[in-house]
Amino acid sequence: AQSVTQLGSHVSVSEGALVLLRCNYSSSVPPYLFWYVQYPNQGLQLLLKYTSAATLVKGINGFEAEFKKSETSFHLTKPSAHMSDAAEYFCAVNSGNTPLVFGKGTRLSVIA
Amino acid sequence: SAVISQKPSRDICQRGTSLTIQCQVDSQVTMMFWYRQQPGQSLTLIATANQGSEATYESGFVIDKFPISRPNLTFSTLTVSNMSPEDSSIYLCSVEGPTHREQFFGPGTRLTVL
Repeated sequence: AQSVTQLGSHVSVSEGALVLLRCNYSSSVPPYLFWYVQYPNQGLQLLLKYTSAATLVKGINGFEAEFKKSETSFHLTKPSAHMSDAAEYFCAVNSGNTPLVFGKGTRLSVIA
Repeated sequence: SAVISQKPSRDICQRGTSLTIQCQVDSQVTMMFWYRQQPGQSLTLIATANQGSEATYESGFVIDKFPISRPNLTFSTLTVSNMSPEDSSIYLCSVEGPTHREQFFGPGTRLTVL
């Protein structure tokens, strides 16, 4: 079975500071990993995905994530937070023919 | 990525009634998915809908409560039947991306049951 754990239900950073949102996964086969963002009152938007090519994946809005097999992690980072980054972020895993499994989400707050 | 629309965007309903949510995609897709997002929670898959076959429901969800139609490759409906306040959630449809791994989501339907 596959699962996703997001450490920290709420992360608060200052504008301009580094954003780090943590995601650890469990999968019995090589996984496909995703980060989605959900702005208030909107659906989910795909930020980036890992599909067994490069381990460092660049996404939209300046976000990137690094796949570390030894740590079973796929943490999301952004060098400098903007106020517009405030949203809910979901990590998700997909292995084989199974449906996407989502983590519980991390709410990012950006303080001016 | 596919453009997905949902109707209605939000609704307030009385308990015991039913609501049908529509999902329209701007391109033909094989698989469509319906999710529920309860307040402050993550997404839970309700069912997978393939055109021309019965929907496949996840554990804890049944066809009598959440009947799904998939009449063609661009459209699907989810009905929430005999609603109770516990059904108050955001309901989202999604479709597979071109690599059949990622999914793209509609804007969601925010349902409140009184």
